[in-house]
Amino acid sequence: AQSVTQPDIHITVSEGASLELRCNYSYGATPYLFWYVQSPGQGLQLLLKYFSGDTLVQGIKGFEAEFKRSQSSFNLRKPSVHWSDAAEYFCAVGANNAGNMLTFGGGTRLMVKP
Amino acid sequence: NAGVMQNPRHLVRRRGQEARLRCSPMKGHSHVYWYRQLPEEGLKFMVYLQKENIIDESGMPKERFSAEFPKEGPSILRIQQVVRGDSAAYFCASSPARALYNEQFFGPGTRLTVL
Repeated sequence: AQSVTQPDIHITVSEGASLELRCNYSYGATPYLFWYVQSPGQGLQLLLKYFSGDTLVQGIKGFEAEFKRSQSSFNLRKPSVHWSDAAEYFCAVGANNAGNMLTFGGGTRLMVKP
Repeated sequence: NAGVMQNPRHLVRRRGQEARLRCSPMKGHSHVYWYRQLPEEGLKFMVYLQKENIIDESGMPKERFSAEFPKEGPSILRIQQVVRGDSAAYFCASSPARALYNEQFFGPGTRLTVL
């Protein structure tokens, strides 16, 4: 069975600073990887996804993520954080042989200092 | 093009009552997934349905919980005899008939509070 670990429960960065949110997964084959963002009291919005091909994927809102098979990681990055990026971020892995379900990490709550 | 709709957005029930959560998938989507998010946790898969069929219910509690997705109308997640531990946010997601690599679109969620 697949699993996802987000080691950082909370992260605080200053506005304008760079950001990296960590995600490690466990899955036997090539995974389908996703990053979602959830604002307080809201649903989940897809930031970006990796299926195959180029291991550096670009998403919305200036986010990018890099798939590293050797490290089983799919870290999310942003070069300059804005105050509106404060939210909870979830990494997820999907696999067709698991009936299309997504397995989510526990989330990382991002706070942005002015 | 409307997104995934869920109602109600907030639901308060007393212990022992029934909760019914509704999900209307995006237009053209025939696959529906339900996830539960307990406080301070990530989302956990509950059930995957297509029209009139339950495909995978491996994440559903064995008792009190049921789900359906009829030929007409929204998908319903039903919780009978609710307990305080059922308090959570319940999210529905949908994908097209030929979902590309599991991409799912999420609704805003129903936040259930059990008193």
